[in-house]
Amino acid sequence: EVQLVESGGVVVQPGGSLRLSCAASGFTFDDYTMHWVRQAPGMGLEWVSLISWDGYITYYANSVKGRFTISKDNSKNSLYLQMNSLRSEDTALYYCAKGENKYVAGGPDSWGQGTLVTVSS
Amino acid sequence: DIVMTQTPLSLSVTPGQPASISCKSSQSLLYSEAETYLYWYLQKPGQSPQLLIYGVSKRVSGVSDRFSGSGSGTDFTLKISRVEAEDVGVYYCMQSIQLPPTFGGGTKVEIK
Repeated sequence: EVQLVESGGVVVQPGGSLRLSCAASGFTFDDYTMHWVRQAPGMGLEWVSLISWDGYITYYANSVKGRFTISKDNSKNSLYLQMNSLRSEDTALYYCAKGENKYVAGGPDSWGQGTLVTVSS
Repeated sequence: DIVMTQTPLSLSVTPGQPASISCKSSQSLLYSEAETYLYWYLQKPGQSPQLLIYGVSKRVSGVSDRFSGSGSGTDFTLKISRVEAEDVGVYYCMQSIQLPPTFGGGTKVEIK
């Protein structure tokens, strides 16, 4: 069974930094593209970033480009999201999601429970 | 970016009655004859999204056959043949043929 457990969400001041982690199990982690998707309170889903199975391809939403960095450690079955220069509009529940396959065109097929990031002074 | 437009915004359905959700993309999602990267997710109240349909019409294992997906090009539909109480939540379509992947705004389904 696929399990994705996010952690690292806290309250942080505007301009601050944060690193989210996602521990994956139940599948061969280095065979799949991985995604981060967020959901602001009461709002819909917003895709944030993806990383290819081998880590060589990364892609970001325009809203986070230049501020967020996605990475993965296949030896630890872990996905990360380094978030810098945080803004109030980054406040959201951040989901880690497994891609359908190793190709970046494959969308998410399994989701974690999410970790809450609140950007507030 | 490809814009995904879902209609209606909300649906109130009598149990046992059908429901239909439309999703229109601003560009064709056809990648090849074998693959169209269009997905349907359901987010039940208080839960994470769950994948229902991938590749326009392929049902995920364990998903009720009351759910069906159809469409091509830029017009797609999710149908629930007979709505049950457990189907309440927000339904989202998503495309990933072109980066960035984009979601529709969501359709809230509730029971009358």
